[in-house]
Amino acid sequence: NAGVTQTPKFQVLKTGQSMTLQCAQDMNHNSMYWYRQDPGMGLRLIYYSASEGTTDKGEVPNGYNVSRLNKREFSLRLESAAPSQTSVYFCASSPVIRAKNIQYFGAGTRLSVL
Amino acid sequence: EDKVVQSPLSLVVHEGDTVTLNCSYEVTNFRSLLWYKQEKKAPTFLFMLTSSGIEKKSGRLSSILDKKELFSILNITATQTGDSAIYLCAVDHTGTASKLTFGTGTRLQVTL
Repeated sequence: NAGVTQTPKFQVLKTGQSMTLQCAQDMNHNSMYWYRQDPGMGLRLIYYSASEGTTDKGEVPNGYNVSRLNKREFSLRLESAAPSQTSVYFCASSPVIRAKNIQYFGAGTRLSVL
Repeated sequence: EDKVVQSPLSLVVHEGDTVTLNCSYEVTNFRSLLWYKQEKKAPTFLFMLTSSGIEKKSGRLSSILDKKELFSILNITATQTGDSAIYLCAVDHTGTASKLTFGTGTRLQVTL
C-alpha cells in the first residue's frame, strides 16, 4: 500500500538553484496539498489543489509554484531557491468525502538551501 | 485570522502516566477538528471530531470536542515509550475549498 509517495527524500541546493518536488498518490483522492514544516511553526499550507485542473494559494505561497499534472500527481517547484526555504516539505491528499477532510501525508522531503 | 493553539509545547512523563493535551481554536466556518501523531516522518491520522461532547476512543487514546468553548483535548492513559511523538491538532474550516489549519504541536516524551 503506497499511499502518498514523495521524491526525493533529501535534497541540498545552492541559493538560486531550482528544483521540483514530486508527489503522487494512489488512493484516487481529489484533493492534494503541499505543506512546509519548520521548528516551532507547525505545518503551513503552501498550495493546494481541490481537484484535478485547479490550484490555489495557501498561507505561504511566495517563492513556489505548483502543477496538478493529473489526478495522481501534484508537484511543487522552487524556481530560485533561498535559504529561507530550508524546511521539511510534506505532500498530502484527501478524498474530502461528505465534507470530511482527513488528509494522508507522504514521508516528507528534507530540503537544505545553502 | 484563523488560529489553532496547542498546549503545552512539550511534555516529559514517565511510562504509565496519564497525559492531557490541549487544543484551542478561533476559525471561521468550523467543520471539524483532527488529531495527528507525528513520529519521525509523516503525520498519521488519529481522530476526527465534528460534534460537541462526543468522545472518540481508540485503545488508550481518547479525545473530546467542546464547540461552545472552542477547544479539544487528547488524553493518553497508561503511556508507553511508543507514545513519544509530536501530537498535532488541525481544524478544518472552509469557504469553497476544504483546508486544514494546524497548531504548532505538542512534543511528548515518555521515559522509562
